[in-house]
Amino acid sequence: GAGVSQSPRYKVAKRGQDVALRCDPISGHVSLFWYQQALGQGPEFLTYFQNEAQLDKSGLPSDRFFAERPEGSVSTLKIQRTQQEDSAVYLCASSLARTDTQYFGPGTRLTVL
Amino acid sequence: AQKITQTQPGMFVQEKEAVTLDCTYDTSDPSYGLFWYKQPSSGEMIFLIYQGSYDQQNATEGRYSLNFQKARKSANLVISASQLGDSAMYFCAMRGLTQGGSEKLVFGKGTKLTVNP
Repeated sequence: GAGVSQSPRYKVAKRGQDVALRCDPISGHVSLFWYQQALGQGPEFLTYFQNEAQLDKSGLPSDRFFAERPEGSVSTLKIQRTQQEDSAVYLCASSLARTDTQYFGPGTRLTVL
Repeated sequence: AQKITQTQPGMFVQEKEAVTLDCTYDTSDPSYGLFWYKQPSSGEMIFLIYQGSYDQQNATEGRYSLNFQKARKSANLVISASQLGDSAMYFCAMRGLTQGGSEKLVFGKGTKLTVNP
């Protein structure tokens, strides 16, 4: 079956631009997670959804970061007024239920110039 | 708070030999899960193996096994019969399983494994 997909795979933005990153989880997966991976580091948690409810957004680094999952499937991570420090790979993961194994997408590599 | 420590930035192994990648953890959760993921240069995180804190036996998945020593808080990954395709970054991660606790994975900094022909 299809895995987690993310688009775009690569995004280059000028500082100050807004970007939107999309995640399509595995069909039927209730839980969806966003992580940020800086170069040479392990992924760090950003936010978590159970269906359409955003239950944990404690990892979002600033109020410029916003995530939604309005119908409980596809999710969008939006970054407003991008800064150079936002350059990273943004990984999306989904799991069947809250405590199940998380399966990751290929990531979106964001470069802010 | 949960913390994962991977002390080996890089490891080298000869093809067909076994290699152990170290992982130690710290948590106050009474129940937790430990994971290993592989990240090739393409960037996707590939799930390899899972160990629950109350599992009686060490987890195994094909050529992967997890050497779980709860008292020492270690969860080392053992890869047997290394293949050239095993060259990648390997991440250890954990998650608490306490009801109402955080579902997020906490990752270590990773170990870069290079398999030599």
